[in-house]
Amino acid sequence: EVQLVQSGPEMKKPGESLKISCKGSGYRFSNYYIGWVRQMPGKDLEWMGIVFPTDSHTMYSPSFQGQVTISADKSINTAYLQWGSLRASDTAMYYCTRFVVGYITSESFDSWGQGTLVTVSS
Amino acid sequence: DIQVTQSPSVMSASVGDRVTITCRTSQGIKNFLAWFQQKPGKVPKRLIYGASTLQNGVPSRFTGSGFGTEFTLTISSLQPEDFATYYCLQHDTDPPTFGQGTKVEIK
Repeated sequence: EVQLVQSGPEMKKPGESLKISCKGSGYRFSNYYIGWVRQMPGKDLEWMGIVFPTDSHTMYSPSFQGQVTISADKSINTAYLQWGSLRASDTAMYYCTRFVVGYITSESFDSWGQGTLVTVSS
Repeated sequence: DIQVTQSPSVMSASVGDRVTITCRTSQGIKNFLAWFQQKPGKVPKRLIYGASTLQNGVPSRFTGSGFGTEFTLTISSLQPEDFATYYCLQHDTDPPTFGQGTKVEIK
């Protein structure tokens, strides 16, 4: 069974750093991109960026370029999303999902992590 | 980046209604489009991929169509469990981009 399991909820203060994770199982992790999606309270889904675990190639949506860092460690089937200095506006639910680039497949966006709630408050 | 314009943003409908949601992209994306349903507090659920292929287990009242720059999601007869927010997602170019979402509310 394909699973993406994310790390638990986080409560942080403005200015603190944070790294959350998304661990894949039940499939060949390195063969799929992992994407990160933000959902602020009561708001729509926003695509943040992607990482390809095989070579750690990353790409960011313009709104998130320079704001977060996405990475992956294929040896432990885990992708990461990190912040160097959190702001209150980073308060949101963050999801990861897997997908394939370049062709249509039932295996793109079929599995999602359960979400990690990040709360940033002083 | 490709812009995705989804409409309407909110729709009030009754059980049994036929509902249509549209996504338009700023450039052609062939059929690299997926549709998702999200209920409050839940993970997004993929309904359709490749613009028109129904996810296994999704009721046949959901239909996707389109190619290029214009796509639609149709619910032929709205059921109580269909009240939710729907999103389209283009993934022809990286990074993917979501539409702005359509909230289907009870009239």
